[in-house]
Amino acid sequence: DIQMTQSPSTLSASVGDRVTITCRASQSISTWLAWYQQKPGKAPKLLIYKASSLESGVPSRFSGSGSGTEFTLTISSLQPDDFATYYCLQYDGYPRTFGGGTKVEIK
Amino acid sequence: EVQLVESGGGLVQPGGSLRLSCAASGFTFSDYYMDWVRQAPGKGLEWVGRIRNKAKSYTTEYAASVRGRFTISRDDSKNSLYLQMNSLKTEDTAVYYCTRGRDSGGRFHFDFWGQGTLVTVSS
Repeated sequence: DIQMTQSPSTLSASVGDRVTITCRASQSISTWLAWYQQKPGKAPKLLIYKASSLESGVPSRFSGSGSGTEFTLTISSLQPDDFATYYCLQYDGYPRTFGGGTKVEIK
Repeated sequence: EVQLVESGGGLVQPGGSLRLSCAASGFTFSDYYMDWVRQAPGKGLEWVGRIRNKAKSYTTEYAASVRGRFTISRDDSKNSLYLQMNSLKTEDTAVYYCTRGRDSGGRFHFDFWGQGTLVTVSS
């Protein structure tokens, strides 16, 4: 199985901060990586697919980069609506696997 | 508007069975691959399995943790996805999400998710 290691597990930040979350795959997955945002009691929401493609309707302050085994989700200027938990997903191999999540908290 | 609505969750005893349903609307259901993803209380996301479309002969994939116990099926005439869960264990307790698979160039990520249905396995 492809292991996805996400860091940090928790991040404290202020409105306006630039935030970076990293996901590392245990083997190369090319660019078959997606990022999701989840708020308490809600379903995950797609933000980024194919490592760097912004999903329609998602604010441009979200961006993704990387290929192979190292990937990054960046929020350029954190907004109040962005406090949530973020997950990466590899969809190259089976089983599909998620990172452990990064909770973005208010500092 | 794409909608996925899960139903069928509830409390079941260990060793029991449950069948979840997912009603799809707002898109041509028969064209898409569909997946189930679950989330144990307070934990992260875990992929459960996939069913492909008719063009791919409705083939399925499963996580090792559920293979042989869970079966994914679909009825394109009813725009519905199903998850038959047998021999349930306490560790199957989770919110189960129905998701749509979208092709991003040869691989399928999950773009839309239902609101989830809670399955609790307990005596």
